[in-house]
Amino acid sequence: AQSVTQPDIHITVSEGASLELRCNYSYGATPYLFWYVQSPGQGLQLLLKYFSGDTLVQGIKGFEAEFKRSQSSFNLRKPSVHWSDAAEYFCAVGPGGNAGKSTFGDGTTLTVKP
Amino acid sequence: DAGVIQSPRHEVTEMGQEVTLRCKPISGHNSLFWYRQTMMRGLELLIYFNNNVPIDDSGMPEDRFSAKMPNASFSTLKIQPSEPRDSAVYFCASSLRLAGDDEQFFGPGTRLTVL
Repeated sequence: AQSVTQPDIHITVSEGASLELRCNYSYGATPYLFWYVQSPGQGLQLLLKYFSGDTLVQGIKGFEAEFKRSQSSFNLRKPSVHWSDAAEYFCAVGPGGNAGKSTFGDGTTLTVKP
Repeated sequence: DAGVIQSPRHEVTEMGQEVTLRCKPISGHNSLFWYRQTMMRGLELLIYFNNNVPIDDSGMPEDRFSAKMPNASFSTLKIQPSEPRDSAVYFCASSLRLAGDDEQFFGPGTRLTVL
């Protein structure tokens, strides 16, 4: 079974600064990887996903993530954070093929300082 | 499409009462998930269905919790009797199929408060 770890429970960055949220997964083969965002009072929304091919994937709202097989990581990045990016971010991993559902990490809460 | 629809959006009830949460998945989606989110425990998967059949209910905390999916367009999560520790936001999500590469689409959630 797959698992996912988000080492940082809470991160604070200044508006305009760069951001990197960490995600590590455990899965025997190449997994499917996702980042979701949850704005306050709302449900989760997909930011981006990785299935195969180019290891750097672009998502909505200016976010990108890089798949590194050697490190079992799929870190989320943004070059310049906006106050509206304050939210909770979830990494998820799905098994290959039609083997079942994706598993979510515990989430990282992002606070943006003015 | 209207997305995943959940009702009610807010529910306040007293301990011991029955609570029923409702979910309408996106039309054409074959898989449905119920999650619970609290500050203490984060996002927890309670149960999920595929083609209206429950696949895994190991996340359901107690026998007080039950879920049904009588047809492809409707699911309920029932708590009977409710307790204050059940207070949480309950999310329903749906996906096209039960597969690792499928995105889950989340509803807005039902905020449940049990007094």
